[in-house]
Amino acid sequence: SAVISQKPSRDICQRGTSLTIQCQVDSQVTMMFWYRQQPGQSLTLIATANQGSEATYESGFVIDKFPISRPNLTFSTLTVSNMSPEDSSIYLCSVEDIVTGGSYEQYFGPGTRLTVT
Amino acid sequence: DAKTTQPPSMDCAEGRAANLPCNHSTISGNEYVYWYRQIHSQGPQYIIHGLKNNETNEMASLIITEDRKSSTLILPHATLRDTAVYYCIVEYGNKLVFGAGTILRVKS
Repeated sequence: SAVISQKPSRDICQRGTSLTIQCQVDSQVTMMFWYRQQPGQSLTLIATANQGSEATYESGFVIDKFPISRPNLTFSTLTVSNMSPEDSSIYLCSVEDIVTGGSYEQYFGPGTRLTVT
Repeated sequence: DAKTTQPPSMDCAEGRAANLPCNHSTISGNEYVYWYRQIHSQGPQYIIHGLKNNETNEMASLIITEDRKSSTLILPHATLRDTAVYYCIVEYGNKLVFGAGTILRVKS
């Protein structure tokens, strides 16, 4: 299974600022995903990031607020822009690994815990 | 997209089998059922997935009904470390849509 690391693991930021979260994978993967988990809630998919193309955002998420980069097959970044306290969440990176038979498994990073004051 | 229904919480005695049910009555014929769990303050952990047949790995067994409208995740000998939120997910266009999950509490 893929090993995923995220930086920073946690941060406390002031409103109006931006934070860039890094996701590093130990193997080349085609599809990477960014999720948000608000306090006490389940995970919500923000966007899908494929190398060499624009990220695809889910309903309710826009590129201006959550710009994503995917420069190569092992790395991606998510920026949370112009932050407000409502952006306080855990942000998780995940990757897709194709397994025998055409199905896939998705592995998650440890998450970045963001608090906006 | 297929949605899933799970009980909000369950208790299980340590050493006993934990059977976690999931309903997915609107699942399509080529959609897989996935199970993940999330232990407090950690990223979700993949457990198992299946399409039609029952599946077993070192962590758990997955029993899918013949009509595929429901499934059960079985942890054969639950330990205190299995206390977590368990998510039953039906794949939707290569995406995993998480529901609320089941909080499993394993008690000694």
